[in-house]
Formats: sequence, C-alpha cells, structure tokens
Amino acid sequence: GEDVEQSLFLSVREGDSSVINCTYTDSSSTYLYWYKQEPGAGLQLLTYIFSNMDMKQDQRLTVLLNKKDKHLSLRIADTQTGDSAIYFCAENLIYNQGGKLIFGQGTELSVKP
Amino acid sequence: ETGVTQTPRHLVMGMTNKKSLKCEQHLGHNAMYWYKQSAKKPLELMFVYSLEERVENNSVPSRFSPECPNSSHLFLHLHTLQPEDSALYLCASSQERVAGYTFGSGTRLTVV
Repeated sequence: GEDVEQSLFLSVREGDSSVINCTYTDSSSTYLYWYKQEPGAGLQLLTYIFSNMDMKQDQRLTVLLNKKDKHLSLRIADTQTGDSAIYFCAENLIYNQGGKLIFGQGTELSVKP
Repeated sequence: ETGVTQTPRHLVMGMTNKKSLKCEQHLGHNAMYWYKQSAKKPLELMFVYSLEERVENNSVPSRFSPECPNSSHLFLHLHTLQPEDSALYLCASSQERVAGYTFGSGTRLTVV
C-alpha cells in the first residue's frame, strides 16, 4: 500500500537537536526525501537519501535510513527559531507507467527560544 | 524564486465563477503535477502530466480541469467550485517522474 507516516508535532528549545521520524511502506523506493514548508509557502526540498545509503549528512542536517524497518529520520542540530516549519517525508513509488512521490502528513516543528 | 512560478498567489471566487490557476517552470523538467493541500489533511495528488500527456487523475471532480499546453506550463481551470474546495493548490515539476519535485509557492484559493 501507499502509506508514509509521521508524528504530527514536535516542540524543542532553541539550540537543542530535533529528530523527526518517518515510516514508509514501499521497499522498492530508490530515493527518500525531506521537504520543508514555511507558513504561506510551497514545499522546499531539504535533502534526500538514496536507498543504498544508511546516512547522509549535510551541514546541520543528518538523515538516517533503516531499510529493514522502513524507517527514515531527519536530525537538525542546533535547532534555530527559523527552523520552525512543517517537515514532510516522501518516498517515490515506482510502478510500470512511471512513479510518483507519496508524502507523509507532515510534522510541525515548533522551536521555542 | 524556486524555478516554479504560480499565479495568482491568492484567489477568492464565488461558487458560480470560472477561474484558472497558472503554473510555469523554467527548469527544463518533463513532468508536472497539481497537489491540493487542505488544513489538517495530507497532500493530495490531483493530476500528473508527463511529456505534456495526462498520465494520472486521482478521482478529482470534473469541476477541476487541468491543461498542459507545453512542457513549461500547466493550468488548472476551475468552475462551479464548492466551499470545501478552499485550499492551497501546489504545482510541482520534476525531471522524470521518479525524481525529486520542485514546488511552486502555491495559490491560496477561497471559495465563498
């Protein structure tokens, strides 16, 4: 089935690390993505990981992938108030005619000063 | 600018009006998408166009009519909408349908 699940809310203090978790269902996904949506804006691609990788680091962002458990996480180090947004996890679902991205419901991250 | 431009940014329309949303991408991508984002609901994929051909239509009511005249432009024609159609409509594009998407900023639609 097509299902990507995330917790809906996360609240952290400025300077702490944030960890946003996601589970997905399609084991054939080749890429998994993290998108960020600020209020009133579209979705911005933050980072992605290829399915044969376990970890990817990009400045303050660390993506961990556990393929066995179909679990993806996004860690934001030294979280800032500007990181407050909704974060979406997505997997690409491949089928004969092509593919499409399946998005989770989004995790609203609130960063308190 | 993200490379995907949507106009208008905001639209208020009555239930008997006809309006169109426009999306333009300058990235050379060959696939374009319409998504609906309602409050408290997951992103809903509405339509997929690949190489200017509609390849997916996810049970969207006929009051929404997409048009893709070329690989850079995508329209969503609206007529006789309902208040529950009020939402943020997002356009996205990608190079191949399995690649990451680039999103526009969306059109905030309010149906009164």
